[in-house]
Amino acid sequence: SQTIHQWPATLVQPVGSPLSLECTVEGTSNPNLYWYRQAAGRGLQLLFYSVGIGQISSEVPQNLSASRPQDRQFILSSKKLLLSDSGFYLCAGASLTDTQYFGPGTRLTVL
Amino acid sequence: GENVEQHPSTLSVQEGDSAVIKCTYSDSASNYFPWYKQELGKGPQLIIDIRSNVGEKKDQRIAVTLNKTAKHFSLHITETQPEDSAVYFCAASRDRGSTLGRLYFGRGTQLTVWP
Repeated sequence: SQTIHQWPATLVQPVGSPLSLECTVEGTSNPNLYWYRQAAGRGLQLLFYSVGIGQISSEVPQNLSASRPQDRQFILSSKKLLLSDSGFYLCAGASLTDTQYFGPGTRLTVL
Repeated sequence: GENVEQHPSTLSVQEGDSAVIKCTYSDSASNYFPWYKQELGKGPQLIIDIRSNVGEKKDQRIAVTLNKTAKHFSLHITETQPEDSAVYFCAASRDRGSTLGRLYFGRGTQLTVWP
C-alpha cells in the first residue's frame, strides 16, 4: 500500500506570511492527490485535488493554492496567511487499484 | 453532488458494549463506502470498507453493513475497548481510485469508550 508523508508536523506563522506545505507519496505511481483542511470541529473539507502533474482542481475559493510539480509531490501554498487559515491540513492519495490513504497531517497556527 | 449524513455526532459506551454509527448517502451511483478512524492529532486511518456488490463485511470486532435500497450503511464495533475511542468518519464515492472517485465524508462521530 502507499505511504503519505507530510511536513512539517506543526507550524506557527504570523498573519501575512507565506506558506508552503509539502506532501509526498511512496508505494504507488500516478495517484490522485488531495488536500483537506480540518478546522474547529471534526469535518474534513476538501480544498484541492489533482489527477496528474500540473492538473489542479479547486473545491472552494480561498487564500490558498496548490501545485503538483512531480507525480508524487503535492504542495499547498499561500502568499499571505490569514487567521482563518489556521487548522489541521491533511494530504491524501489514491491509486486506481487502492483506496484513499491519509498522511499524518500538519497543524498550522496563524497568529 | 453526493451528500453523506452521519449519526450520532457523539457516542459514549461502556467498555465491552457495542457501538453503532450510521450513515446515509444521496447518490445512488455511489458504490464504495470506506470508514476511517482518526485519533487525536493524527491523520484518519482506513479501518474497513465495503463495495456495493456486498451487503456485509466483517474484520474481527468491526463490521460494516450496506443497504443499497435505503442508501444507508453502518459501522458496528463489538466488545469495545478504551483504545477504540476516536473520531470515526464514513465516506462514499462512485469509483474507488478513479479520476472521479473523490470521497464525500460524513461529519464524524466522536466515540468515547469508558473503562
